[in-house]
Amino acid sequence: SAVISQKPSRDICQRGTSLTIQCQVDSQVTMMFWYRQQPGQSLTLIATANQGSEATYESGFVIDKFPISRPNLTFSTLTVSNMSPEDSSIYLCSVRGGTYNEQFFGPGTRLTVL
Amino acid sequence: DAKTTQPPSMDCAEGRAANLPCNHSTISGNEYVYWYRQIHSQGPQYIIHGLKNNETNEMASLIITEDRKSSTLILPHATLRDTAVYYCIVRVQVTGTASKLTFGTGTRLQVTL
Repeated sequence: SAVISQKPSRDICQRGTSLTIQCQVDSQVTMMFWYRQQPGQSLTLIATANQGSEATYESGFVIDKFPISRPNLTFSTLTVSNMSPEDSSIYLCSVRGGTYNEQFFGPGTRLTVL
Repeated sequence: DAKTTQPPSMDCAEGRAANLPCNHSTISGNEYVYWYRQIHSQGPQYIIHGLKNNETNEMASLIITEDRKSSTLILPHATLRDTAVYYCIVRVQVTGTASKLTFGTGTRLQVTL
């Protein structure tokens, strides 16, 4: 299984600012995924990040709002730009691997925007 | 990916078996049934998956009906630590973004003393 860490674990930010969330994996992975989980809701996929290529965004998510970097096979960042209270969510990093190609998730970053 | 339907919540007494149902009537022949769970304030955790045969591992058993239109996740001896939201997900088992996980609303299982 893959061990995933995220920084920060939580943050409280002011409206209009940006926050960059880091995701570190203990093994090399081709694909990394970023999810959002709004309060009381299920997980929604934001984008898929492959090393060496542009991230692929899901419907409703755009690069200007959620720029993603993927500089190597063990690391990725997600930036939440020009934040508003509606961006208050848990943001989760995920990778695929293991014997059954299952997905592993990081502990999440709990973001509160005031 | 096929859509799944799960009851929003269930209760189970500690020590009893927890049986969590999932309907996936539009499942395709090459789609697998995956189960994940999310304990409060943690990232989702893989539990088990299957195609058409029943599966068992150290965490749970998965029973898939013969027509594959529904399945049941069984936690044989539920404990308080099994209290979580359980997600049933159907997807093809291939690499690439085509096999992305799409989460529904899941079943909130509450295990009680």
